Formats: sequence, structure tokens, C-alpha cells
Amino acid sequence: NAGVTQTPKFRVLKTGQSMTLLCAQDMNHEYMYWYRQDPGMGLRLIHYSVGEGTTAKGEVPDGYNVSRLKKQNFLLGLESAAPSQTSVYFCASTLHLLPQETQYFGPGTRLLVL
Amino acid sequence: EDQVTQSPEALRLQEGESSSLNCSYTVSGLRGLFWYRQDPGKGPEFLFTLYSAGEEKEKERLKATLTKKESFLHITAPKPEDSATYLCAVWENGNNRLAFGKGNQVVVIP
Repeated sequence: NAGVTQTPKFRVLKTGQSMTLLCAQDMNHEYMYWYRQDPGMGLRLIHYSVGEGTTAKGEVPDGYNVSRLKKQNFLLGLESAAPSQTSVYFCASTLHLLPQETQYFGPGTRLLVL
Repeated sequence: EDQVTQSPEALRLQEGESSSLNCSYTVSGLRGLFWYRQDPGKGPEFLFTLYSAGEEKEKERLKATLTKKESFLHITAPKPEDSATYLCAVWENGNNRLAFGKGNQVVVIP
């Protein structure tokens, strides 16, 4: 049982490049989330999914797209990276809608956009 | 206006010196208030959920309490391993997401 894993751990992009961040969970959780964390700001929700094949916008969705083709995977895409997207990205999954002991976060992906 | 405000931003404690962290919130209807611990370079780790005013929950040296306007995370006789950033978040009725505060950074000195 690996919990929530994120790939890659660290990436440097040039402005305009694209990339996909992968989040995988092996706990059969329905709900999955992508957050970004920036210095001096709280965690902010980018997109989320309430089940396989579903996605929805969070607080800061612009510039990102997501897909949940398989229940265990939640992908976050940056089509044309911008310096403002430099951040630490966290994926989370949970069994219940409201966070409880069954909510887990991944270790994070550090992204630097030059 | 921020929905969740945490204070103090940073706190240095001597080992054994008890203290409290504050999380004040402004929502029209609270569905739940949540505390997390985050170690440097790692993702947040769930600690507590509080649902209604007057509720309290404990875990080792940590105790979370909730009123209609704020929550406190009391750290009793802290140890160096309690050093972390503590995050508070709220879930408002009608929303489908957590709103996080900026965190309380706690350093416990041996």
C-alpha cells in the first residue's frame, strides 16, 4: 500500500513548454484533488474529481487541465507553462467527501518555470 | 477577504513550554474545520476534524477546540518532533472544497 504517489518530484520548464503531472493512489478512493502551494499563501485547489471520468474546477483552474481516465490516477496538465505556475503541487485523495483520517496527500512536485 | 486566518505566523517554543495556535474563520455555514501537520518538503498530514462549536479532539500532545468563530490547537509540553507547520482549513456549506489558512510555523527548541 503506497498511499498517494506523485511523479515527477521536481521539474524545470521553460516558458511555453508543456508537461503532465501524475498522481496515483492505491486505496480505491473516489475523490482526488490537485492543489498548489505558494509561499505566503495557503493551499489552493486547482481541480478535483469525484470519481472516475469526472473532473471539476477548483479555486485557481486557469492554465491547467486534468483527466481521470482511471480511478487510481489523476493527471494535471500544463499546456503552456508560465512563470506564475512556479509552485509546489500536491495531490490528495480521500475516501469520503469531507476530509477524515482517510485523506492522504502526496509528497509534492516542485515545478520551476523559467 | 481571507476565510481563514491563522496566528501567530511563526512560533518558537522551548521544549515543554505549552502554547496555543489560533485559527479564526469567516464562513456563512461551517460544515467542518480541519487541522493538518506539514513537515518541510512533505505533503500535509491530516490531524483532526471538528464539526460543531464546543467540540474537542485530542491526539498525543495536541488538542483542538472549536468555537463559532475560531479554533485553537493547543500543544501541551511540546517536544522537538512537534516542530512543523500546522495548517487550518474550513469547509463551508454549499462549497465543494477546503479553504486553507497560511499556516502556523512551530519550532520547538530542545
